[in-house]
Amino acid sequence: KAGVTQTPRYLIKTRGQQVTLSCSPISGHRSVSWYQQTPGQGLQFLFEYFSETQRNKGNFPGRFSGRQFSNSRSEMNVSTLELGDSALYLCASSFLGDEQFFGPGTRLTVL
Amino acid sequence: GENVEQHPSTLSVQEGDSAVIKCTYSDSASNYFPWYKQELGKGPQLIIDIRSNVGEKKDQRIAVTLNKTAKHFSLHITETQPEDSAVYFCAATPFRRAGGTSYGKLTFGQGTILTVHP
Repeated sequence: KAGVTQTPRYLIKTRGQQVTLSCSPISGHRSVSWYQQTPGQGLQFLFEYFSETQRNKGNFPGRFSGRQFSNSRSEMNVSTLELGDSALYLCASSFLGDEQFFGPGTRLTVL
Repeated sequence: GENVEQHPSTLSVQEGDSAVIKCTYSDSASNYFPWYKQELGKGPQLIIDIRSNVGEKKDQRIAVTLNKTAKHFSLHITETQPEDSAVYFCAATPFRRAGGTSYGKLTFGQGTILTVHP
């Protein structure tokens, strides 16, 4: 069974731009969660989607948003990028919501 | 919300020795405690997890123990090998059930850099 895939793997943007990251979960998994990983703050929860509905949201500003499609693929969007948004963005998929399997992440650099 | 503290931040052992990483959590409602291993350039890999109705779980060289009263849980790796070298993260969450699924957000510890010397 294929694992979680994330595209693109690397991204360089400038301040003020917006970015969209994509995640394809493991086949059959309906839950997708997004996390931000930075050296200073560690792994922090962004939001979780299940069957196209956002079920949970972390403490991030409204510039961070996401959505999930009927095939369970998910996207997250960050608008008006700031330098502090530079991070590894990780997507995790789950069948029931608890055991979460992570993808390789998208490394975002904001210049 | 939940807060997870993880110790030590770095751990260096000789090949064949045991390694122990400890985590404490704050929310007594937390009921799911996974451990992840992250190698350089990769996403975290789920290596073992434990639920609040179990005190200990083993999988070959890896074991996890949970003390709900003290609100701490530990990862034990025996007979360490150089390929065990990585960053290990603990996490905790009070998952809630809804419609046959669980929902909640994982709160992670700050990570432990484990180095196993040949």
